[in-house]
Amino acid sequence: DQQVKQNSPSLSVQEGRISILNCDYTNSMFDYFLWYKKYPAEGPTFLISISSIKDKNEDGRFTVFLNKSAKHLSLHIVPSQPGDSAVYFCAAINYGQNFVFGPGTRLSVLP
Amino acid sequence: ETGVTQTPRHLVMGMTNKKSLKCEQHLGHNAMYWYKQSAKKPLELMFVYNFKEQTENNSVPSRFSPECPNSSHLFLHLHTLQPEDSALYLCASSQESGQGDYGYTFGSGTRLTVV
Repeated sequence: DQQVKQNSPSLSVQEGRISILNCDYTNSMFDYFLWYKKYPAEGPTFLISISSIKDKNEDGRFTVFLNKSAKHLSLHIVPSQPGDSAVYFCAAINYGQNFVFGPGTRLSVLP
Repeated sequence: ETGVTQTPRHLVMGMTNKKSLKCEQHLGHNAMYWYKQSAKKPLELMFVYNFKEQTENNSVPSRFSPECPNSSHLFLHLHTLQPEDSALYLCASSQESGQGDYGYTFGSGTRLTVV
C-alpha cells in the first residue's frame, strides 16, 4: 500500500506556463514533506520542502502548497523552463521514521 | 558532484558473479541509505545505517549484503543476483536517520544490469 502517491506519471507543459505536480499521502502522522528533482543518470536532488505547520513555502519559481485536511500537496513551477524537464519525487516523513517516496512524475517542458 | 559519490556508475554482472557497490560521503552525515529504483516504481528503501549501525533492513533478500565500516562509507555486496535485480541503486546520506529537517543528499547511482 503506497503511503505517498503521485497519480500522474507524466505531465507536459509549454515553456513559460505553470507546471503543477500533485502528491497525495495517506499517513496523517507525516509532518514534513519534500520535493526532489531527478535528471537522467543522476541521483535525486533536493528542491523544496514544507513543514506540516505551514501551508505554503516559496523559493523563487517553486512553490509548494500543503492541504493537510485533504492530505495533499502540490508543487507549482512558474514560469516553467525547458531545464525543468525531469522526474519529480514527492517525499514524506514522520519524525523518527525514514522518508517515504512517491513513484515520481515526469515533467516535460516544451519549448 | 553532490557530495555523495557512488562507484561504479554502471555495472553489468552475471548471475553467478560477486560484485560490490561503493558509496562515499564527506558531508559529515551520520546516516546512510541504500535505495533501489526500478522502472515505474517508487524509490524502495533497502537498508539504513545510523552511526554505523544498521537500523533498518527492508525485507531485502540475502543476496544483497550491506556493509558500513564507518560513517563515511557504505558498501552493497552483491552475489548470485537475478535479472529482476537490474535497477538503479542509489546511495543517500543525511545528518541522522529519521530527522526530516535536513533531507537527503543522493549520489548519482549505479546502474546495475544482471545478465
